[in-house]
Amino acid sequence: DAKTTQPPSMDCAEGRAANLPCNHSTISGNEYVYWYRQIHSQGPQYIIHGLKNNETNEMASLIITEDRKSSTLILPHATLRDTAVYYCIVRGGGRGSTLGRLYFGRGTQLTVWP
Amino acid sequence: NAGVTQTPKFRVLKTGQSMTLLCAQDMNHEYMYWYRQDPGMGLRLIHYSVGEGTTAKGEVPDGYNVSRLKKQNFLLGLESAAPSQTSVYFCASQSMGRGRTGELFFGEGSRLTVL
Repeated sequence: DAKTTQPPSMDCAEGRAANLPCNHSTISGNEYVYWYRQIHSQGPQYIIHGLKNNETNEMASLIITEDRKSSTLILPHATLRDTAVYYCIVRGGGRGSTLGRLYFGRGTQLTVWP
Repeated sequence: NAGVTQTPKFRVLKTGQSMTLLCAQDMNHEYMYWYRQDPGMGLRLIHYSVGEGTTAKGEVPDGYNVSRLKKQNFLLGLESAAPSQTSVYFCASQSMGRGRTGELFFGEGSRLTVL
């Protein structure tokens, strides 16, 4: 699986949009981009994933560049409860892929301040 | 629906003791994983299983053994605990069936201290 690069920390004012970048320049054609977050040492929580189209769900939006070498997770209206470590992961799709080698890295510590 | 349950949640061991962490999932997922997380670090994969009766090594398998005798359970064993194994252990399960997102569902973690 492709490795990812994320800034170690970011902050954001409550109510504003939080834009978390991720570089995955070695991503290959069948690899998905996944985002997880971990709140205060709890188990990580799935947020969203995508292949090449932009995606949106109730938690966030995922913008993937046309060349797929980078992506941005957007939390449209950040709250204090969004303070967490956010992990960007690239993973191959389907059975037989390198499922066992999910690389979480150190992620980005997002701090939302009042 | 309990999801992924890890037991015990906390444990203190002496060097050389053995123990087993149990992970149970009630979502009928095929894939299960054991990760460890050290302070300030991301998660590192220890072992994983793609189905009942199968296991495979991850990034940091040394000092650990696993078993998947039943689909819903994934056991992580430490035969002779060492202080370097002090960590928080997370179990996760995943379904790769058609139409699934492939997301991982994590347990709440097991905090192990080896003295």
